[in-house]
Amino acid sequence: GENVEQHPSTLSVQEGDSAVIKCTYSDSASNYFPWYKQELGKRPQLIIDIRSNVGEKKDQRIAVTLNKTAKHFSLHITETQPEDSAVYFCAAYNFNKFYFGSGTKLNVKP
Amino acid sequence: GAVVSQHPSWVICKSGTSVKIECRSLDFQATTMFWYRQFPKQSLMLMATSNEGSKATYEQGVEKDKFLINHASLTLSTLTVTSAHPEDSSFYICSAYTALNTEAFFGQGTRLTVV
Repeated sequence: GENVEQHPSTLSVQEGDSAVIKCTYSDSASNYFPWYKQELGKRPQLIIDIRSNVGEKKDQRIAVTLNKTAKHFSLHITETQPEDSAVYFCAAYNFNKFYFGSGTKLNVKP
Repeated sequence: GAVVSQHPSWVICKSGTSVKIECRSLDFQATTMFWYRQFPKQSLMLMATSNEGSKATYEQGVEKDKFLINHASLTLSTLTVTSAHPEDSSFYICSAYTALNTEAFFGQGTRLTVV
């Protein structure tokens, strides 16, 4: 099956700085890569996603890049704010299943 | 976005009893529903995948006789934890998937505590 690895496990940045979270996947058949934000005790919320036919996607302060050859994709958050503090999960989708990374706890210090 | 409702949000039960958790897609028909288990400060561990009208597919290491999944309709799936034990205490989250745009939406999760 698919194996998704995510780094770093924790990330602390100063408000206004950028944050980058990276994921790798193992199965070249994976074709959809969503990113979720989960606040403590709440459900994961989709924040951005990218499909395998696209290399980059941006939505305001959030962007995702995908390198199919290297099998890695990254989440970029610019101008971070305290409310960005949460756990972020990447995922890869293939054969009707989602495989999640281990999560990154982002702490944005005011 | 689409709404997935999961109930109950929390439940406390005695060892040996069974607990049923419901997952409903409120405004769309879910092709597939996924059930996850999440331990504190850890990722989402896929337990099983269920398609409407067919038996669930369980991930390796997940006991199908302990975690009964029923997917009776395109909008409802249930997870029953049978003969619960304290080690079953966890956060269980469902996710409903629609093939229309390959997107999965999560329920709010159920905090199960077995005493």
